[in-house]
Amino acid sequence: DADVTQTPRNRITKTGKRIMLECSQTKGHDRMYWYRQDPGLGLRLIYYSFDVKDINKGEISDGYSVSRQAQAKFSLSLESAIPNQTALYFCATSDPGGAPNEQFFGPGTRLTVL
Amino acid sequence: DQQVKQNSPSLSVQEGRISILNCDYTNSMFDYFLWYKKYPAEGPTFLISISSIKDKNEDGRFTVFLNKSAKHLSLHIVPSQPGDSAVYFCAASLDNTDKLIFGTGTRLQVFP
Repeated sequence: DADVTQTPRNRITKTGKRIMLECSQTKGHDRMYWYRQDPGLGLRLIYYSFDVKDINKGEISDGYSVSRQAQAKFSLSLESAIPNQTALYFCATSDPGGAPNEQFFGPGTRLTVL
Repeated sequence: DQQVKQNSPSLSVQEGRISILNCDYTNSMFDYFLWYKKYPAEGPTFLISISSIKDKNEDGRFTVFLNKSAKHLSLHIVPSQPGDSAVYFCAASLDNTDKLIFGTGTRLQVFP
């Protein structure tokens, strides 16, 4: 099955450490997204990319950076992790030729920053 | 400033009855609305959507209603089943882009 995968699924790190979350997809979609979910706040968009050469900031990009290494891969980096970046992180993809605005999500990465 | 709001954090419904999940929004320029369902330890999955030019969309047991004058949409699940127990997010998009703005979610529990 075409899928969206995220690694790692769980990660505990310390304040000040650099960390990378990875997302891969086999759906062949050009568009990819990174969200974070916090209790009581829903999902908020961090960065998005509409193709390999396109990177855009979302609602809450401060403290994060991304890399689109290929159509299938979109990585999220925390250069110097801080405790309020503790959250559930989701990668998603979409196909502009598919159902309007429908996005396909990975299983999530639970990140804890101590 | 929360543009998409789900004011009920939780809802409990008996199996076989109707579940009604509500969502309010503030931006009248939103042109598409979607509902996502999320089980624990999984990512959200798309459930149903509606264009701003319509007032109702139905897919099996799921119906979404849009009231543009009230800036309100609702998801009806009839009949509710225990497998519907999950967190439901409404989301909206602007200018027919794929960028989504999510609500805070409503946890639905369907009990026997």
